[in-house]
Amino acid sequence: QPVLTQSSSASASLRSSVKLTCTLSNGHSSYIIAWHQQQPGKAPRYLMKVEGSGRYNKGSGAPDRFSGSSSGADRYLTISNVQSEDEADYYCETWDSNNRVFGGGTKLTVL
Amino acid sequence: EVQLLESGGGMVQPGGSLTLSCAASGFTFSTSAMSWVRQAPGKGLEWVSSICDSGGCIYYADSVKGRFTSSRDNSQNTLYLQMNSLRAEDTAVYYCAKISRDSFSDYWGQGTLVTVSS
Repeated sequence: QPVLTQSSSASASLRSSVKLTCTLSNGHSSYIIAWHQQQPGKAPRYLMKVEGSGRYNKGSGAPDRFSGSSSGADRYLTISNVQSEDEADYYCETWDSNNRVFGGGTKLTVL
Repeated sequence: EVQLLESGGGMVQPGGSLTLSCAASGFTFSTSAMSWVRQAPGKGLEWVSSICDSGGCIYYADSVKGRFTSSRDNSQNTLYLQMNSLRAEDTAVYYCAKISRDSFSDYWGQGTLVTVSS
C-alpha cells in the first residue's frame, strides 16, 4: 500500500508564500492525493485533490490563495499571501482499493 | 449543506465496548461511501475503516481488524462503528468522513472523543 511522507513543520511570514510537500512512496508516484487543513481544536477540512499531472480541484471551502501542483512523486500545496488563519496542520491523503492512508501532517506556523 | 454528526463517545475501561454513530444529512447517503478516521491526542490522522455505499464491502486498518465493526443503515442515514476489546491506544477523537465519487474524503464530522482508561 502507498505511504505518504510530509515534513513535520514549516513556517511562513505573514503575506508571504509557502509550499508544502507530500511525497508518495516508490511505485505509487501516479496516485492522486487530497489535502486537508486542520485548524487548532477543529475537525479536518478538505481543501483540494491533486493529480500526478499537476491538475488540481479545490473544494468549495478552500480560499483562492490555495493552489496545488505536482512533480514526479511529490504533490504540493502552495499558500500565497499567507494569513494568520492559515496556521494549522495540513494532511495529505491517498487511497487504494482496500486502504486509505494519511501523511503524518505538516504543522504550519505563521510568523 | 452536508452535515455529519458523530455521537456515542465517552470513557470506557480497557476491554470494554462502545458504539459510535454518525448521522448524515445534506447529501444522498445511500450512494456515498463513508469512512472512520481517528486522531490520538497530539497525533496525526489514522484511517480506521471504510464502507461502501451498499454496506457490502468493508475494510479495516490492521490495528482494529477483528475488534471493530463498521455498518450503516441507509434508511436512517446513519453510519456506525462498534468497538470491542478496547485498548488504551484506541483513545482518540473519532471522525466520520464522506468519501467522494473520486475516492477522497470531502466532508468531515466534528468528531467524538473516546477515552479508554481504568
